[in-house]
Amino acid sequence: GDSVTQMEGPVTLSEEAFLTINCTYTATGYPSLFWYVQYPGEGLQLLLKATKADDKGSNKGFEATYRKETTSFHLEKGSVQVSDSAVYFCALSEPGTYKYIFGTGTRLKVLA
Amino acid sequence: GAVVSQHPSRVICKSGTSVKIECRSLDFQATTMFWYRQFPKQSLMLMATSNEGSKATYEQGVEKDKFLINHASLTLSTLTVTSAHPEDSSFYICSAQARQGSYEQYFGPGTRLTVT
Repeated sequence: GDSVTQMEGPVTLSEEAFLTINCTYTATGYPSLFWYVQYPGEGLQLLLKATKADDKGSNKGFEATYRKETTSFHLEKGSVQVSDSAVYFCALSEPGTYKYIFGTGTRLKVLA
Repeated sequence: GAVVSQHPSRVICKSGTSVKIECRSLDFQATTMFWYRQFPKQSLMLMATSNEGSKATYEQGVEKDKFLINHASLTLSTLTVTSAHPEDSSFYICSAQARQGSYEQYFGPGTRLTVT
C-alpha cells in the first residue's frame, strides 16, 4: 500500500541555518504531495503542496519539489527562524481518493 | 477561505461520561469530513470518514459504538466519545473536503480531550 517515510527527528538547528527534512513515498499512482506544519497545541496547517511531477511548492520561504524519479518531496528552507519550531508532516493523497497518508512527523527545534 | 473550526478546543470530562466535539466548515460546503486522533509525539491516525446524510465509515480497529459520528449537514460533523475512559484522552482533529474542486483536506485546530 501507499506509504510516506520521513526522517526521524528531532532536528535541532541554529537560527539562520539551512533546513532539509527528507520525505520519500511509495504510491501506486500519481499522488498529490503535501507538507503540513503543526505548532504546539494546534491543528495542522497546510504549508505547501505539489500535484504533479517536477512541481515546486513554496510558501513562507519553504520549498519542496515533487521528484517522481526518486519518489521524494524533501522540504527545504534557506534560513530558519525560531518561529519555525514545530512538527512537520509529509503526506500524500492518491487522485480519485480522499484518504491522506501521513508520515510520522519531524520535530524541528530552532535555537536563537 | 477554507476555514474549519472545532469546538471545544479543550475539554475535561469524568470517566464514564460522554463528550461531543463539533467540526464546522465555515466558508465552504464539505461533502466529506474526517476525524483523526493524534497521540503525543505521533502522527495522525484516521478514525473515520463521514459523508453528509450517511453513516460514517470507520477504520479498522476503531470502535464505532464508542466514537459516534454524525454528519447532519454540509457544514457540520460531530464526534461523540461515549462512556469515556482515561485511555480516550487524546488530541482529536477533524478535516473537511470541499464539495467541488480538489481532494485537498482542510484541517481544524484540534480538540484536546482529557478524561479523568
